[in-house]
This record gives sequence, C-alpha cells and structure tokens, in this order.
Amino acid sequence: EVQLVESGGGLGNPGGSLRLSCAASGFTFSLYSMNWVRQAPGKGLEWVSSINGDSGDIYYEDSVKGRFTISRDNAKNSLYLQMDSLRAEDTAVYYCARDAIAGGITNYFDYWGQGALVTVSS
Amino acid sequence: QLVLTQSPSASASLGASVKLTCTLSSGHKFYAIAWYQQQPQKGPRFLMKVNYDGSHNKGDGIPDRFSGSSSGADRSLTISSLQSEDEADYYCQTWGTGLDVAFGTGTTLTVL
Repeated sequence: EVQLVESGGGLGNPGGSLRLSCAASGFTFSLYSMNWVRQAPGKGLEWVSSINGDSGDIYYEDSVKGRFTISRDNAKNSLYLQMDSLRAEDTAVYYCARDAIAGGITNYFDYWGQGALVTVSS
Repeated sequence: QLVLTQSPSASASLGASVKLTCTLSSGHKFYAIAWYQQQPQKGPRFLMKVNYDGSHNKGDGIPDRFSGSSSGADRSLTISSLQSEDEADYYCQTWGTGLDVAFGTGTTLTVL
C-alpha cells in the first residue's frame, strides 16, 4: 500500500525557516518524481515544487523560487521541502504527492499525503 | 495562459447522478486533465485522468460509479448512484510544457 506521511509543519516567523519531510512507503521511491502542493486555509490547491527521481530535474512555482528548496533522499525514501524567508502568504497545508507514472515528470499526482500545516505569523 | 474553470458548487440527491465540468482555457482544448476528490479535512484523492478524446484512466480503487468524458474544451466527471461520502470538493488539474501546472478552483458537491 502506497503511503505518504508528512511531518515538520508548525508555526514559523515571517522571515524564518521551516523544513517539511515526507516519508514514503509501499513503492520504489527512486523511480517516481515527487511533488509538493499546498492549500491555503479555505482555498484551492496550488502546485509548489517538483523533483524527479534522481534529483536531476527540479522546478518551483514562481512565488517560492529562491526561497524554497526541494530535495530527496532515495536511501531513506524521503522527500523534503526547506522553506526559508517565510511569508504570511505561505500559510497553508502542504501535501506531498507522487507523480502518477514512474520514470519522468508527469505533472499529475496519484497518491497524496494527509498534509502538514504551516502557519507563518509573528 | 493555462486556466481551468469550474462551477463553485453543485448538488444532487442521494442515489442520483451528477456531472461536474471543467473547462480548459482557449488554445488548450486538447489537453488532458486529472480529477481529484477532497473530503473534509483530508488530502486529495486521485480519481482519474481524462484525455481530450474522452478516454480515462482511473486511480486505484475508484468505483465504477465514477466516470469521465470530454467534449471540446470541457472535461467532465460523472458520479452515479450518489452516496453521502461523495460529498466533497472536486478539483480538476492540467499541465503544459515545462512545469505549467494549473488547478481549477474546485466544485463543492452537496448530496441532498
């Protein structure tokens, strides 16, 4: 059974940093591109970042470029999102999501975690 | 610009059918889309990918009550034999070249 479990959310100060983790199980992690998608309170879904299986291709949504860093450790079956220079508008539930097809970046997502809440406030 | 348009809300009676539609922006009518269901306080669940020709590929464990179709720039999700647990937000999503990923604003489905 595919499982994605996020951790590391919480309260961050404006200008501060937080790191999210996503523990994956039930599939060969290294074969799949992985993604972060966020949802502000009461709002819709917004793609944040993608990374392919060998970390050779990485992409960011424009508003997080230069502030967020996506990475993965295939030996630990884990995905990460380092969030620096946090802003109030980064407040959201952050979901880890698996690309639907192994081998490349497909841009749609067949398994999602339960989410981790990040609140940016002083 | 890649944009998806969804009605904010829909409703239908228990046991009935409902069709939710997602419209692709001009110039993008051949794009495939994905449908997701988000029940209250839960992460999204992948329902299916719908191609421009109406063919669709469902996610694991998605019941036959859920089906997809396409007409021009419209991609639709039909849910038949509505159950109370189908009450949820439904999002469509598409993608372009590079990482041009777009989500619709979602449709809240109420089961009466």
